[in-house]
Amino acid sequence: EAGVAQSPRYKIIEKRQSVAFWCNPISGHATLYWYQQILGQGPKLLIQFQNNGVVDDSQLPKDRFSAERLKGVDSTLKIQPAKLEDSAVYLCASSLVISGGNQETQYFGPGTRLLVL
Amino acid sequence: AQSVTQLGSHVSVSEGALVLLRCNYSSSVPPYLFWYVQYPNQGLQLLLKYTSAATLVKGINGFEAEFKKSETSFHLTKPSAHMSDAAEYFCAVENAGNMLTFGGGTRLMVKP
Repeated sequence: EAGVAQSPRYKIIEKRQSVAFWCNPISGHATLYWYQQILGQGPKLLIQFQNNGVVDDSQLPKDRFSAERLKGVDSTLKIQPAKLEDSAVYLCASSLVISGGNQETQYFGPGTRLLVL
Repeated sequence: AQSVTQLGSHVSVSEGALVLLRCNYSSSVPPYLFWYVQYPNQGLQLLLKYTSAATLVKGINGFEAEFKKSETSFHLTKPSAHMSDAAEYFCAVENAGNMLTFGGGTRLMVKP
């Protein structure tokens, strides 16, 4: 079974530029997550989708970050314009559908390492 | 929201020695708890998870963790460290809607 795919693996941009990351979840996984992992810290959830709807985006800096999952499969996370403090690894994860009271394991992709200069 | 605290950002052990990585949670109800491992330049891989079925949870690569409600702890252990265990380890707790909150991580170094 193929895992969660992410691209690109690395990206270097200058501040105020735009950047986009792509994620393809495990086949059949309805729930998709984007996390930001700053160096030396644990991952922080940015946004969670179930199918093509947003479940939670309370920690997404909406003035510069946006994410979409138009057909309920692949997802794109965009930053526009980027700031120095956005330098981090952006991790995508997926899980089976959320169901009441049941815990579904999240499977993580390799991440995209972003450096903003 | 529930949270976890990992004590010790760096832990160093000798090869063959006991590995003990500490995690304490804050929750008023029994939580779902997880340990993930992250190797350099890779994503997170699930080591084990506690979902209230048994207090001692066995995971992959010889790791296990014990849920202790009285101590609000979920420490990760392995009897004998191997060089390949060198990585960063994250404890996490599940909040509503299957959302994970991670601790700050513990980097495990294994000396030959």
